[in-house]
Amino acid sequence: EIVMTQSPATLSVSPGERATLSCRASQTVSSDLAWYQQKPGQAPSLLIYGASIRATGVPARFSGSGSGTEFTLTISSLQSEDFAVYYCQHYTNWPYSFGQGTKLEIK
Amino acid sequence: QVLLQESGPGLLKPSETLSLTCTVSSDSISDYSWIWIRQSAGKGLEWIGRITDSGNTFYHPSLQSRAIMSLDITKRQFSLRLTSVTAADTAVYFCARSYSATKVENWGRGTLVTVSS
Repeated sequence: EIVMTQSPATLSVSPGERATLSCRASQTVSSDLAWYQQKPGQAPSLLIYGASIRATGVPARFSGSGSGTEFTLTISSLQSEDFAVYYCQHYTNWPYSFGQGTKLEIK
Repeated sequence: QVLLQESGPGLLKPSETLSLTCTVSSDSISDYSWIWIRQSAGKGLEWIGRITDSGNTFYHPSLQSRAIMSLDITKRQFSLRLTSVTAADTAVYFCARSYSATKVENWGRGTLVTVSS
């Protein structure tokens, strides 16, 4: 099973600033990488797939990059609604797996 | 917009069987893969398995011996059975949908299942 490792576990950023979240795969997953946002009491919501393709309705301030084993989710100018937990997930082969999440909190 | 709704008992005793059903409100249950994912404090988000619209199943290796998924197209429902539960199976269980059997586009709200004696 491919292990996904996210860093940092918690990221404190001020509204309006940029946030950069990292995800590393234990072996190559090509571009088979998705990012999700989860708010308290809710299910995760798809943000990015194919490492860099925004899902329908996702604001342009969210961008994804990377391939192989190293991936980044960038939020260019944080809005109040962006403070949440973010997960990466690979889907290159079964079983798929998620990272442990990065909590993005208000500084 | 598709809606997925989980239903089933919220409290089980060790060794019992967990049975959950997901009811889907959408035009078609075909052309999608139907998924169960769980989330616990200890293990985070974990894929349990997926079932295609033709009934092919894929289970997480760690749960393969205990998990069974099924699909009822006429009722627009799919189900999960997990046998011999332990406290480690305590989690929020999500049903979900994927068009490409890869990323998850739609999720249910989740249902908490607690295993306790």
